[in-house]
Amino acid sequence: AQSVAQPEDQVNVAEGNPLTVKCTYSVSGNPYLFWYVQYPNRGLQFLLKYITGDNLVKGSYGFEAEFNKSQTSFHLKKPSALVSDSALYFCAVSDSSNTGKLIFGQGTTLQVKP
Amino acid sequence: GAGVSQTPSNKVTEKGKYVELRCDPISGHTALYWYRQSLGQGPEFLIYFQGTGAADDSGLPNDRFFAVRPEGSVSTLKIQRTERGDSAVYLCASSRYNQGRETQYFGPGTRLLVL
Repeated sequence: AQSVAQPEDQVNVAEGNPLTVKCTYSVSGNPYLFWYVQYPNRGLQFLLKYITGDNLVKGSYGFEAEFNKSQTSFHLKKPSALVSDSALYFCAVSDSSNTGKLIFGQGTTLQVKP
Repeated sequence: GAGVSQTPSNKVTEKGKYVELRCDPISGHTALYWYRQSLGQGPEFLIYFQGTGAADDSGLPNDRFFAVRPEGSVSTLKIQRTERGDSAVYLCASSRYNQGRETQYFGPGTRLLVL
C-alpha cells in the first residue's frame, strides 16, 4: 500500500538553528514527492517538489529537501530557522496511478522559538 | 494571479441537512481535486475531475457525497443528510493537468461543522 510517514508530531528548534522535518514514503514506481506548509486557518501552500534529477531540491522561503531513494526519505531542511517558519508541515507523495492524487502524511508541527 | 477560492469559508449545519461547498480553481487548470482534512490529520483524497468528468471518486466515503463540475471550471461538493462525522475542513486544489508531477494549488478550505 502507498503511504507517507512523518514520524515526528512536533519539532522544536531555536531561531537561527538548522531544522529538519522528516518524511518517509512507500510507493510503487518512481515517486513524485511534495512538501506543503499550512498556517492556522489557511489552506496548504506549496513549498517544493521532487520529480527527477538532482536529489537536493530547493524551494520557497529558503527551504530545501533531500530525496534519498535507498532510504525512501524526503526530509525537509532549512539552514537557519525563523520564528515565522512555525507552522504545520505536510509531506505528500503522488499516487502511482499518476493521476495526481496525493497521499499525505499526518503532518509535523514546527515550533521555532526566539 | 488569483488562486483557488472556496466558499463558504465556514458552514455550520444541523445533522440531516444538505450542504453544498463551492470551489473556483485557478483559471486554465484542467484538473480539480477535493480533499477532506479532519482535526489533527493530513488531507485525504475524495475525488478528482479532469475537465467535466469525475475521473476518480474512490475517496468519497459513501453515497451521501457527490461532486460536480458541469462546465469544467467551478466544482461543487454536495453532502446529503449530513452527519456529525462529516465535520472537517474540505479542501479543493487545482493543477494544470492530472499528472503526478504537476503541482496542486490549494484553496483556503471550507470548515464544515455538523451539530
